[in-house]
Amino acid sequence: EIVLTQSPATLSLSPGERATLSCRASQSVTNSLAWYQQKPGQAPRLLIYDASNRATGIPAKFSGSGSGTDFTLTISSLEPEDFAVYYCQHRDNWPLIFGGGTKVEIK
Amino acid sequence: EVQLLESGGGLVQPGGSLKLSCAASGFDFSIYSMRWVRQVPGKGLEWVSAISGGSHTTHYADSVKGRFTISRDNSKNTLFLQMDSLRAEDTALYYCARRGIHLWFDLWGQGTLVTVSS
Repeated sequence: EIVLTQSPATLSLSPGERATLSCRASQSVTNSLAWYQQKPGQAPRLLIYDASNRATGIPAKFSGSGSGTDFTLTISSLEPEDFAVYYCQHRDNWPLIFGGGTKVEIK
Repeated sequence: EVQLLESGGGLVQPGGSLKLSCAASGFDFSIYSMRWVRQVPGKGLEWVSAISGGSHTTHYADSVKGRFTISRDNSKNTLFLQMDSLRAEDTALYYCARRGIHLWFDLWGQGTLVTVSS
């Protein structure tokens, strides 16, 4: 079973700053990785799929990179609505696994 | 409007059963694989189960295998999760989600809360 480790667990930043979130897989998932955003009281929302493709309607401030075992989600300039929890997920094989999440909080 | 709407959650005693439903609307439900994902309040996401569009293939997390059964009725655009032998650790918000054209969870419901407690 593939394990996805997200770091840091919490990221404290100010609006306007750049956020860099990491997701590391215990074995290669090639580029089969997605990122989701979840705000309090809401369902998750797909942000990035196949490591670097933005989902429909996702603004360009969100970007994904990486392949194999190391992946990064970057938010270029944080806005108030971006403070949320972010999860990575792979779909290379069963079971489908989510990372533990990174909470981006206002500093 | 394209949406998923879960129902059927509630309070159940350990060892009991519950059947969740997820009503789909606004898209051709029958051609999409569907999933259930759960989340303990304040915790992370856990994939529970998956089913193909024609119900030919199903998959389960080890934590629910043998106790939960996923199914669907394409004539009614509805996904189900039959949960038997429920345990306290099954307490969570249960989401249904669609596997979209890019093969990721591109549409989610709002969730239905299951509480297993005596």
